[in-house]
Formats: sequence, structure tokens, C-alpha cells
Amino acid sequence: AQSVTQPDIHITVSEGASLELRCNYSYGATPYLFWYVQSPGQGLQLLLKYFSGDTLVQGIKGFEAEFKRSQSSFNLRKPSVHWSDAAEYFCVVTGGGNKLTFGTGTQLKVEL
Amino acid sequence: DTEVTQTPKHLVMGMTNKKSLKCEQHMGHRAMYWYKQKAKKPPELMFVYSYEKLSINESVPSRFSPECPNSSLLNLHLHALQPEDSALYLCASSQDFPTGNSPLHFGNGTRLTVT
Repeated sequence: AQSVTQPDIHITVSEGASLELRCNYSYGATPYLFWYVQSPGQGLQLLLKYFSGDTLVQGIKGFEAEFKRSQSSFNLRKPSVHWSDAAEYFCVVTGGGNKLTFGTGTQLKVEL
Repeated sequence: DTEVTQTPKHLVMGMTNKKSLKCEQHMGHRAMYWYKQKAKKPPELMFVYSYEKLSINESVPSRFSPECPNSSLLNLHLHALQPEDSALYLCASSQDFPTGNSPLHFGNGTRLTVT
């Protein structure tokens, strides 16, 4: 069975600081991995996705993520956080089949 | 701008009411989904339609009744709900199901309050 762990429930960073959100997955083969962002009261917006190929993927809003098979990780990064990045971030894994497995989410707070 | 449109944005209903949530997408996607999301939790899958046929029902109580009139539209009919059904209901679509490598596209949700 596939699973996703987001170890950090809450993270607070200062505006302009760098950001890294952690995601560890468990899956028997190469998974399909996604990061979604959810602003308060809104739906989920796809930030980026990894299927194969280059392990460093670029997404929207200046985000990137790196797939590390040896560590079963897919951490999300941004070099300089903006106040508008405050939101809930979900790491999602699927084997390409019937089910998406969501992590429990990381709530990002940005201090001005 | 979201490519999946949900109406209404907010809904308050009593436990004896009947109401419907609506979802529409025009991306040519063949799969559509209903998710339920409680506060501070990830979305939970309720139903999946593929090519207008129900593919997955995650043991959802019968007071929730989905309908897919065509490939662009998805409804969720609500009847005799309980206060614990209050949540954000999210609609999503994807190109195919099983998803393969196609991501889900989510709407902005309907905030449902059951009184």
C-alpha cells in the first residue's frame, strides 16, 4: 500500500527566507508525485508533478521539488517566500492507478 | 482561475432539506470526482466517475447521491444530512481514470453547513 508522510504540521518562515517542505512516500515502484497548495477556503491548485526523467522539477509560483529515490523523498522548495505563499501544502502520491494518497498537509505561515 | 467550476460556493441546509451541488468542467476530461474535506484535514475521496459511469463509491452513506448527466457535469444530491456532514465538498477532474500520470484539477469547493 502506498503512503505519504509530511512530518511538519506547521512551519513559520519570514518573508524573503527560503523554504523547504518535507515529503516522504512509501511505494513499491516509481510513484507519480504531486504537490498541491490550498489557500483558505479555496480548492487545491497543482504546483508541480513528477513522473519520470529529471529529478528536479519546476513548478508554478517559483516552486521546485526534487525526487530522491534513495531517500523516498519529494521535498518542495522555494528560494524566497512571499506573504501570499501562506497556505496549506499537500504532497500526493499515486501509482497511476485508482487512488491518490494525500499527506496530512503542512500549514505554512509567513511572517512579515 | 479554476477550470473546474462549482456551485454554489456556500450552502446552509437543514437536516430535512434536499439540495444539490453542481460541478462543471470543459477541459474534455473523462473522469470526475467528489471529495469531502474537513477542516485541517486532507481531502477524502467519495466518488469517481469515468466516462459517465460510477467507478468508485467509497462506502459513502446513501444520503449522498452522485449523478453524472454528461462528461462535463457532475452533481451531488443531498438529502437528510447530519451536522457532521458539514465540510468543504470538492469536485475534481482528470483526463483519464485510472489516472496514470494525469493530475487532478480541483474546483474551489462548496462550503456546506448542515444545521
